[in-house]
Amino acid sequence: DTAVSQTPKYLVTQMGNDKSIKCEQNLGHDTMYWYKQDSKKFLKIMFSYNNKELIINETVPNRFSPKSPDKAHLNLHINSLELGDSAVYFCASSQGRPLSGANVLTFGAGSRLTVL
Amino acid sequence: DAKTTQPPSMDCAEGRAANLPCNHSTISGNEYVYWYRQIHSQGPQYIIHGLKNNETNEMASLIITEDRKSSTLILPHATLRDTAVYYCIVRLGNNAGNMLTFGGGTRLMVKP
Repeated sequence: DTAVSQTPKYLVTQMGNDKSIKCEQNLGHDTMYWYKQDSKKFLKIMFSYNNKELIINETVPNRFSPKSPDKAHLNLHINSLELGDSAVYFCASSQGRPLSGANVLTFGAGSRLTVL
Repeated sequence: DAKTTQPPSMDCAEGRAANLPCNHSTISGNEYVYWYRQIHSQGPQYIIHGLKNNETNEMASLIITEDRKSSTLILPHATLRDTAVYYCIVRLGNNAGNMLTFGGGTRLMVKP
């Protein structure tokens, strides 16, 4: 009964490949996010969706494309993988519209992507 | 967003209180202070947040100074499982996007 689940947990792939990471939350939250944690351990927001609508799109290469089939799912597809894409990617969710209340996010366990 | 400054690392003896400081001298009146932690190989975990008043929950206490320029997260009886990186974040409660940005944090090592 994991609240925010991501698959796969580990992903090793070659440069130039296309890969996807899936995320699902069973908390009934309206908003979902993708964060990237680099080798220096800084966590940065990439995307946010509210009820399947894209509301945040930070300066991320357009090789990264989020897809939200419904409000419980936010998948991350990455085209033409590069070495610099190696990182841990975290999915998160929160309740309510971004303009409401406190920023209490629930994170998944992370997906470690290694590009060779 | 207001910038936060935290010591890079701290040690604490098991069973003792861990007091983690955070400076946020440029905080504005409607910005909240949030604390998250990240245990090794896990996702960040929400701990507590506050605006002006001190707050307490089952995990920790948050003490915010009267001028709101600094705060302290208190883990009253630290255990080995509290070893983690603790992030202090200042963010508008009603800002578009809930865009939390996590800085370097404080690496807390709880020792037996």
